[in-house]
Amino acid sequence: AQSVAQPEDQVNVAEGNPLTVKCTYSVSGNPYLFWYVQYPNRGLQFLLKYITGDNLVKGSYGFEAEFNKSQTSFHLKKPSALVSDSALYFCAVRDIQPGTYKYIFGTGTRLKVLA
Amino acid sequence: DAMVIQNPRYQVTQFGKPVTLSCSQTLNHNVMYWYQQKSSQAPKLLFHYYDKDFNNEADTPDNFQSRRPNTSFCFLDIRSPGLGDAAMYLCATSSGSQGTQYFGPGTRLLVL
Repeated sequence: AQSVAQPEDQVNVAEGNPLTVKCTYSVSGNPYLFWYVQYPNRGLQFLLKYITGDNLVKGSYGFEAEFNKSQTSFHLKKPSALVSDSALYFCAVRDIQPGTYKYIFGTGTRLKVLA
Repeated sequence: DAMVIQNPRYQVTQFGKPVTLSCSQTLNHNVMYWYQQKSSQAPKLLFHYYDKDFNNEADTPDNFQSRRPNTSFCFLDIRSPGLGDAAMYLCATSSGSQGTQYFGPGTRLLVL
């Protein structure tokens, strides 16, 4: 069965420092991986995805993620954090069972960027 | 801009009083989803449609129903809301296959 894990409930980082939000996955076959951000009382916003191609994926708001097949990871990164990046981040994987169109979400990581 | 729209953004209902949440999309996506999300937890899939094909999750209570009258619209009906149904309800769409899932802003349901 497909799954994703976000091992950290919360990540704190100082403004201007690099940030990493971790995600590991377990899928059979090639994974389709996604990162979403959620601000309070809002829906999830798409940040970036990995389907195939370059392992380093660039997305919205200066975020990027590195697909690492050997470590089955897809960590979200940003070189310099902003206070406005403080939000809830979800990693997701597309369920690849034939005939299904579902996405499996991690438990979420709350990012706090401190001024 | 193409988007997913949810109305209303906030809904207050009484215990046991039926309520309907609506979702529309201008993306022309085949797949529409309803999720329930409680207090910063991961969204929990209730059901999804591929075109008119309805797919219910095994653990979705019978109290929750859905309708998709056409490609653009999808409704979530809660027949007899209980206090435990207070949550954020998220609608999403995707084009299927490798498509990205796009979410609406959500409807926050309060049950009194």
